[in-house]
Amino acid sequence: EPEVTQTPSHQVTQMGQEVILRCVPISNHLYFYWYRQILGQKVEFLVSFYNNEISEKSEIFDDQFSVERPDGSNFTLKIRSTKLEDSAMYFCASWEGGAYNEQFFGPGTRLTVL
Amino acid sequence: AQSVAQPEDQVNVAEGNPLTVKCTYSVSGNPYLFWYVQYPNRGLQFLLKYITGDNLVKGSYGFEAEFNKSQTSFHLKKPSALVSDSALYFCAVRDISEGNNRLAFGKGNQVVVIP
Repeated sequence: EPEVTQTPSHQVTQMGQEVILRCVPISNHLYFYWYRQILGQKVEFLVSFYNNEISEKSEIFDDQFSVERPDGSNFTLKIRSTKLEDSAMYFCASWEGGAYNEQFFGPGTRLTVL
Repeated sequence: AQSVAQPEDQVNVAEGNPLTVKCTYSVSGNPYLFWYVQYPNRGLQFLLKYITGDNLVKGSYGFEAEFNKSQTSFHLKKPSALVSDSALYFCAVRDISEGNNRLAFGKGNQVVVIP
C-alpha cells in the first residue's frame, strides 16, 4: 500500500540554524500539507500546497517557514532560523483530492531545537 | 472556524470491555469527520471517516463511530477493547464550506487498555 515517507525521523539542531524536513507524498496525490504537534498539544495545521504554490497557511507559518516541491517527488519544509519553540513533531500529509478521501500522514520528523 | 474537542485526556479500559472515545465538533457548514490513531513512534493512521450517509460508520480494527448532528458529536467506539488498542486517538474535522481542506484536530486521547 502506498505511504507517505519522511526524513529524517529525528533532527537535532542549534537555535538559529536552518533545517529542512523532507517528505515524499503518495505519487498520484495532488495536495500536500505540513502539520506540527508540540509535545502534549494538539496537531496544528501549518500549510497546504497545491499546483506548485501555497494554497493556505496558518498564522503559525510565518516568514521563517517555507515549502517547496523541488523535483516533483519531494515536498520540503524549511525553517530558516530555528527557535526553541519550533521543537515539535512535524507531520507531512498528502491527499489525492475529492471530498470523500482522507489525508494520508507520514510517520513524522521529531525536531529538537537546543 | 472549525474546531474539535476531545474532553478526556486519558481513557482507561479493561481488556474485553467496550471502549468509547469522545469527540465533539464545531463547524459552520457540513462536517467531514475523521478519526486517526497514533501508535508510539509512528505517524497518524487513518481509522474511519464520516462524509455523508449512515450515521454509524465502520472502520479499521473493529472500530466504529456514530455521527450525531444534534449533539455535534462523533464518538469512537469499539465493542471489545484489546491491549493492542492502547494508543493516542485523534478526532479531526474538515469544513468544506470554509473553502479549505485543512484538518482541525482535537488534542488527542490516550487510550490505555489494561490486561
